[in-house]
Amino acid sequence: KNEVEQSPQNLTAQEGEFITINCSYSVGISALHWLQQHPGGGIVSLFMLSSGKKKHGRLIATINIQEKHSSLHITASHPRDSAVYICAVSGGGADGLTFGKGTHLIIQP
Amino acid sequence: GAGVSQSPSNKVTEKGKDVELRCDPISGHTALYWYRQSLGQGLEFLIYFQGNSAPDKSGLPSDRFSAERTGGSVSTLTIQRTQQEDSAVYLCASSLRRPLGAGGLETQYFGPGTRLLVL
Repeated sequence: KNEVEQSPQNLTAQEGEFITINCSYSVGISALHWLQQHPGGGIVSLFMLSSGKKKHGRLIATINIQEKHSSLHITASHPRDSAVYICAVSGGGADGLTFGKGTHLIIQP
Repeated sequence: GAGVSQSPSNKVTEKGKDVELRCDPISGHTALYWYRQSLGQGLEFLIYFQGNSAPDKSGLPSDRFSAERTGGSVSTLTIQRTQQEDSAVYLCASSLRRPLGAGGLETQYFGPGTRLLVL
């Protein structure tokens, strides 16, 4: 069974700061997913990646398959980025996603 | 187009009662997943459907939990003889599953969830 670890668990930053959230997993995967969940809200998929790097607006996700590690970066952070960010992996023998415990991000104005 | 919908949005029930949770996936999505999000356990996988069949039931926590999918579309998750530890948000997701050999990589689209409280 894949173990997915995220860090930090909680992060508070000032508006405009560069944010990095890390994720590591224990066994080979088909893809890694970054998800966003606002308080009381649903889950939105931000990225799905199996290699390299993807960028969408101020969000950047990278993955290193050899090191079994991914990072999610937020540039020029804004209070509306405040949410829980969840790393999840697919594959590795499982059909469903295996989730990390999430990073609770607060961006203060 | 319409996203994944779930009903009811909230359900309060008494311990020992049965509950049914419904999921309407995005039209044309052949893969459907049920997950559970609870305070103590975080997000966990319950069951996966490809079409009407469930090749992976490995996440169902006990034989009180069952799910079915009909017509390759709507799915129902049934919890019998509910217990307080079943209280959680039950999430459904769907994806456009590609055939094996085509990578099988797809984005999952989540519904808003059903918040279940067992008293």
